[in-house]
Amino acid sequence: GAVVSQHPSWVICKSGTSVKIECRSLDFQATTMFWYRQFPKQSLMLMATSNEGSKATYEQGVEKDKFLINHASLTLSTLTVTSAHPEDSSFYICSAPDRLNEQYFGPGTRLTVT
Amino acid sequence: GQQLNQSPQSMFIQEGEDVSMNCTSSSIFNTWLWYKQDPGEGPVLLIALYKAGELTSNGRLTAQFGITRKDSFLNISASIPSDVGIYFCAGQLGAGGTSYGKLTFGQGTILTVHP
Repeated sequence: GAVVSQHPSWVICKSGTSVKIECRSLDFQATTMFWYRQFPKQSLMLMATSNEGSKATYEQGVEKDKFLINHASLTLSTLTVTSAHPEDSSFYICSAPDRLNEQYFGPGTRLTVT
Repeated sequence: GQQLNQSPQSMFIQEGEDVSMNCTSSSIFNTWLWYKQDPGEGPVLLIALYKAGELTSNGRLTAQFGITRKDSFLNISASIPSDVGIYFCAGQLGAGGTSYGKLTFGQGTILTVHP
């Protein structure tokens, strides 16, 4: 199957700082990528749809100014958590659909805000 | 919005037993998917179902797309210790529109297999 990578796999940052997470499709191009967050023992919740060459589409209740998304190329989307707070600590996962529209997920990024 | 109800929430079984879990939806999906997630990792696609009534197998896994398009089940036969993990169902709408490609996830089923 297709491969999606994320970097970093984990990050610890201080409250008030910003953190950037990268999502790459390694062996296919993706005009659309999706960003999810997952709290312990819970399901994945879609945050936003990242669109190459245009603005991201955010789900209801997700602050677009706090979670900045940039889809700079057909293989790279970035999520920047701005002015992070402890409640932003979570597992962030991206996904990208291949040409058959089957979604492949990255390995996730564990964010801890102290 | 759409919600998926996945059950059971957790299962504790002996190695060799068969497992069954299911998802129901309040609305129709055009694609049903089943994923497995290990701790600290992203979900891995197990089976994708594209047609109502479709029954698909992948090794010891069998999944079916309900005829009403509002439900799906996943069976695991002869479970082994490495089957341990969280299993998620996910529904996806079809092509076109702002919902294209979006997945709605069930709450997950935590599977524990005792050797």
